[in-house]
Amino acid sequence: GENVEQHPSTLSVQEGDSAVIKCTYSDSASNYFPWYKQELGKGPQLIIDIRSNVGEKKDQRIAVTLNKTAKHFSLHITETQPEDSAVYFCAAVVDNYGQNFVFGPGTRLSVLP
Amino acid sequence: KAGVTQTPRYLIKTRGQQVTLSCSPISGHRSVSWYQQTPGQGLQFLFEYFSETQRNKGNFPGRFSGRQFSNSRSEMNVSTLELGDSALYLCASSLVGRKSTDTQYFGPGTRLTVL
Repeated sequence: GENVEQHPSTLSVQEGDSAVIKCTYSDSASNYFPWYKQELGKGPQLIIDIRSNVGEKKDQRIAVTLNKTAKHFSLHITETQPEDSAVYFCAAVVDNYGQNFVFGPGTRLSVLP
Repeated sequence: KAGVTQTPRYLIKTRGQQVTLSCSPISGHRSVSWYQQTPGQGLQFLFEYFSETQRNKGNFPGRFSGRQFSNSRSEMNVSTLELGDSALYLCASSLVGRKSTDTQYFGPGTRLTVL
């Protein structure tokens, strides 16, 4: 089955700097890659997603890149702010019947003021 | 449009008891998935329901079960609770669920503590 690895597990950056989180997946059939942000005491919230026919997608300060050949995708956050501090999860979804989301272990991002 | 709601938000049980958690998906969403989140294991998939049928199942023992009603609301049940069942249980809904690429939207979760 699908396996998703995520690095780093913790990341500290200064406010205003960029943050990059990388995920790799094992199943070449995966074709949908969402990223979720989870704040303390809340459920994960979708922040951006990318599908296998697209190499890059941007939404204001957030971008995701996908390399299907290498089977990895990355989240880029520019001009980080303290409110970006949270745990970020990537997921890979195999295109089969049903909702088969496999999540990475998460990255705890701390943005230091 | 209201988001995914889960009740109760917090629950304390003792070993051996059983528990039922409830999830109301976003209006119009027909697929409901359940996840267990623990510090050590991360987000683990329990099962998914679509049109009142269990469509996918993760690697959890039979003590974990669920169901979905005709209005798409879902419940999950854990019988004979163990200390290791202490976790945040998350429900996620998606619009149609015919393809695995439908976006999932999560609820706030139910924090279960087993004493």
